[in-house]
Amino acid sequence: GAGVSQTPSNKVTEKGKYVELRCDPISGHTALYWYRQSLGQGPEFLIYFQGTGAADDSGLPNDRFFAVRPEGSVSTLKIQRTERGDSAVYLCASSIGAGGSTDTQYFGPGTRLTVL
Amino acid sequence: AQSVAQPEDQVNVAEGNPLTVKCTYSVSGNPYLFWYVQYPNRGLQFLLKYITGDNLVKGSYGFEAEFNKSQTSFHLKKPSALVSDSALYFCAAGHSNTGNQFYFGTGTSLTVIP
Repeated sequence: GAGVSQTPSNKVTEKGKYVELRCDPISGHTALYWYRQSLGQGPEFLIYFQGTGAADDSGLPNDRFFAVRPEGSVSTLKIQRTERGDSAVYLCASSIGAGGSTDTQYFGPGTRLTVL
Repeated sequence: AQSVAQPEDQVNVAEGNPLTVKCTYSVSGNPYLFWYVQYPNRGLQFLLKYITGDNLVKGSYGFEAEFNKSQTSFHLKKPSALVSDSALYFCAAGHSNTGNQFYFGTGTSLTVIP
């Protein structure tokens, strides 16, 4: 069966530009998560959706970061006025959404963002 | 603050020998503990998890992990390492009070030497 997919796999942009990163979760998974993984670090939580709503956005580093999931499936992570420090791998995960933090999260391959 | 520690950046083991990758956690409430493996240019793959019950958890590819509440540890083990086990391993924790947020360790790079 299809896993979590993310597009693009790589994105190179210039400082100050706007970028959108897309995530397609596993079909039927109601929970969706975004993480950021910097070089040599573990994934760092950004935001969690249950259905269409952002249930927890406490990990978003500042107001340049925003994410949506308008139909409860595909999600887009949006970064405005990108900075070099935003360079990282952005990971998306989904889970069935029934059991809270006991649910296994299934991860996509990530989008590697490079801000020049 | 909630956190997960993986004290070893790198672990080397000879093929056929037992392997251990260490993880300790600091979370309030009941911890939920996970191990993931990451191969180059691939996403994180789920190996196993502890939620409740038996402290010894068995997972994919012959891996197992033991939950030790008194030592706040959840070490990953395998009786006989394969060269194909060489990868980056991440421990993660959630708990009943974090909602769905996971806290990840910094990862341990495992190299199995033929």
